[in-house]
Amino acid sequence: ETGVTQSPTHLIKTRGQQVTLRCSSQSGHNTVSWYQQALGQGPQFIFQYYREEENGRGNFPPRFSGLQFPNYSSELNVNALELDDSALYLCASSFGQQARTDTQYFGPGTRLTVL
Amino acid sequence: AQKVTQAQTEISVVEKEDVTLDCVYETRDTTYYLFWYKQPPSGELVFLIRRNSFDEQNEISGRYSWNFQKSTSSFNFTITASQVVDSAVYFCALSEANFGNEKLTFGTGTRLTIIP
Repeated sequence: ETGVTQSPTHLIKTRGQQVTLRCSSQSGHNTVSWYQQALGQGPQFIFQYYREEENGRGNFPPRFSGLQFPNYSSELNVNALELDDSALYLCASSFGQQARTDTQYFGPGTRLTVL
Repeated sequence: AQKVTQAQTEISVVEKEDVTLDCVYETRDTTYYLFWYKQPPSGELVFLIRRNSFDEQNEISGRYSWNFQKSTSSFNFTITASQVVDSAVYFCALSEANFGNEKLTFGTGTRLTIIP
């Protein structure tokens, strides 16, 4: 196990609602990345947080937002849910430092279903 | 822009056979990292290997081996003497070494089924 935890495991929402997903990073890690994995696809990068600041963003609209807390845990918020937001949301933690890419370790994911 | 292609969507082999999963990548950077992850039915991505672009040595870890060839932009993964527990979806991923955006770009995955 990686030590990365996510909650909840499963979630069902309806269109237009808002959702918050949570991630606790592995001990010693200061970077959290979020990915969306649609059924049958590879994970797509949403954004990354390094030391509580957004540190890169993929091609996702502003209704996808996030936070990182002083203990390096993180939240992913999605507003105005759409049917296409149904997916597995994966959180990954890593140790980031200047001019270095470290390995990302993934949590078990949150499966979001939008009806 | 970076891109990873896993042309094999699904592979089925009989237990104890060897199997190779292909990965071809595109990047404009000279410094980059390549990864393989395994995704069992539970959904969690399990890290298998990380290689940087300056290290073209092949690597072996038990029944797993990886062949990195910069000349063909490929990073292939071979499982020797496959076992049922190897059944999973395998993803190849690429990260460019620009600190500030360590995003992983994943391929679409190869679903491997080992038949007992």
